[in-house]
Amino acid sequence: DTAVSQTPKYLVTQMGNDKSIKCEQNLGHDTMYWYKQDSKKFLKIMFSYNNKELIINETVPNRFSPKSPDKAHLNLHINSLELGDSAVYFCASSHSGSAAYEQYFGPGTRLTVT
Amino acid sequence: LAKTTQPISMDSYEGQEVNITCSHNNIATNDYITWYQQFPSQGPRFIIQGYKTKVTNEVASLFIPADRKSSTLSLPRVSLSDTAVYYCLVNLVGNQGGKLIFGQGTELSVKP
Repeated sequence: DTAVSQTPKYLVTQMGNDKSIKCEQNLGHDTMYWYKQDSKKFLKIMFSYNNKELIINETVPNRFSPKSPDKAHLNLHINSLELGDSAVYFCASSHSGSAAYEQYFGPGTRLTVT
Repeated sequence: LAKTTQPISMDSYEGQEVNITCSHNNIATNDYITWYQQFPSQGPRFIIQGYKTKVTNEVASLFIPADRKSSTLSLPRVSLSDTAVYYCLVNLVGNQGGKLIFGQGTELSVKP
């Protein structure tokens, strides 16, 4: 009965490859997020979707493309991976896109680009 | 540049009270302040949330002054298991509209 799940948990790949990370939530939330956490623990929002529509798109390279097939899923596709993309990526969901609503986070995907 | 600021790290001993302050000068008028806790290799999890004055739950208290430009998370009588990174989350108002911002996190180390 996992609330927010991500796959895979670990992803090791070479520079230049294309990879995807999947996220699913079973909480009935209508807002989902992707965050990047670097080695210094800084959590930075990348994207936010509300009812399958993009509402936050921070300054991230065009190589990152989120896709939300339905309210329960928000996948992250990354093209032409670079060394600097190595980080932990967290998916989260909430009832709404403001800080007023508790966000539920997935376990994270540790991406290592070699 | 709109941002939040927290101490990078704090040390404490078991049984002590720990107060972690987050400054958020440009907080959006109608938005809340939320604090999260993160253990190694896990996603952050909700601790407490407030809008103004004081909020208390079974694990923490949150103090917010009238101007709402800062907030203080208070952990009473910490134990070793409270060793974690603590983040504040607010919705900041900037030139590009509202923006959800996490603080850089405070790494709390509780010693026996």
